[in-house]
Amino acid sequence: NAGVTQTPKFQVLKTGQSMTLQCAQDMNHEYMSWYRQDPGMGLRLIHYSVGAGITDQGEVPNGYNVSRSTTEDFPLRLLSAAPSQTSVYFCASSYLGPPAADTQYFGPGTRLTVL
Amino acid sequence: GQQVMQIPQYQHVQEGEDFTTYCNSSTTLSNIQWYKQRPGGHPVFLIQLVKSGEVKKQKRLTFQFGEAKKNSSLHITATQTTDVGTYFCAASNYQLIWGAGTKLIIKP
Repeated sequence: NAGVTQTPKFQVLKTGQSMTLQCAQDMNHEYMSWYRQDPGMGLRLIHYSVGAGITDQGEVPNGYNVSRSTTEDFPLRLLSAAPSQTSVYFCASSYLGPPAADTQYFGPGTRLTVL
Repeated sequence: GQQVMQIPQYQHVQEGEDFTTYCNSSTTLSNIQWYKQRPGGHPVFLIQLVKSGEVKKQKRLTFQFGEAKKNSSLHITATQTTDVGTYFCAASNYQLIWGAGTKLIIKP
């Protein structure tokens, strides 16, 4: 049972490049989400999904796309990278989503630098 | 939108001193969760509080949920080096709203 996995661990992009951050979970969780964490700040929700085929925007969705074709996978796409997207990205999953009181399991994070 | 204010941003303590972080909301919360993030790591779930006035303990950690379900606190007694990290509250209503975190720093 690997939990939540994320790839890559580190990535450097040039402005304007696109890329996909991968996230997978093997716990059969319905709810998955993407956060970004900037230095000294909390977690800001980018996008979330309550199940396969269903996604919605969070607090800071601009510049990012998601899809959820399977229960296990929830990739995050950066359409045209900008320096403001330099951050640490965390994927999380839980069996139930808010407002249920359900533990969020986090992946190890992807540290992205945009030059 | 709904916000959760968490204070202080940093707390420097001598090893063995106590540590407290507070979360406050202007609206009533369904529940609140607490997470710990070690330096360079990812957030790890500690506990969740659901009932008004609830108090839960985990060894040296005490978690409280206010009577009005608008505030919560985490208190660590006699801090140890293993307690170093950032402690986040996360309030669950329509979405999970995160506090900015309190960083626990042990003075050398």
